[in-house]
Amino acid sequence: AQSVTQPDIHITVSEGASLELRCNYSYGATPYLFWYVQSPGQGLQLLLKYFSGDTLVQGIKGFEAEFKRSQSSFNLRKPSVHWSDAAEYFCAVAASGGSYIPTFGRGTSLIVHP
Amino acid sequence: SQTIHQWPATLVQPVGSPLSLECTVEGTSNPNLYWYRQAAGRGLQLLFYSVGIGQISSEVPQNLSASRPQDRQFILSSKKLLLSDSGFYLCAWMKGLGNTIYFGEGSWLTVV
Repeated sequence: AQSVTQPDIHITVSEGASLELRCNYSYGATPYLFWYVQSPGQGLQLLLKYFSGDTLVQGIKGFEAEFKRSQSSFNLRKPSVHWSDAAEYFCAVAASGGSYIPTFGRGTSLIVHP
Repeated sequence: SQTIHQWPATLVQPVGSPLSLECTVEGTSNPNLYWYRQAAGRGLQLLFYSVGIGQISSEVPQNLSASRPQDRQFILSSKKLLLSDSGFYLCAWMKGLGNTIYFGEGSWLTVV
């Protein structure tokens, strides 16, 4: 069965600093990979996705993620964080073995200090 | 463009009372539909999914049920709520398989 691990429950950064949120997945083949962001009390918004091709994926709001097959990772990065980026971030994986239904990590809460 | 709506946005219900959360998708046909529950600090748990009218798959045995009476309508129900049913419920849709899943705004359920 597919699984997703987000090892960091909380991440605190200063505004303007760089950001990297970690995501590791467990699946035999290359799955489809996603990052979502959730503001308090809201639904999830897609930031970016990887299906195939270039392993560096650009998303909305200045985010990017890199798929590394050898490390089974899909880490999310942003070079300069803004206060409005404070939110919950979810990594998700979908694969044929799971009927392409996304499995989500437990989320990482991003706190941005001024 | 496609949109997804769910309601009510907030609900406070006593233990033992029934529940009905509704979700509709506009701008597409025959979507795959999903109900997730989000408990604090526990990520998203898939509850039900449906690939067509009247077709419901349950992922977690519990006192909740789902129905899909129309192509773009998905309903989450319970006959008798438990305290443990409290949480944030998210409806989502996907066109076909292996695509992006899109979420509604969510419904906060507090069972008291």
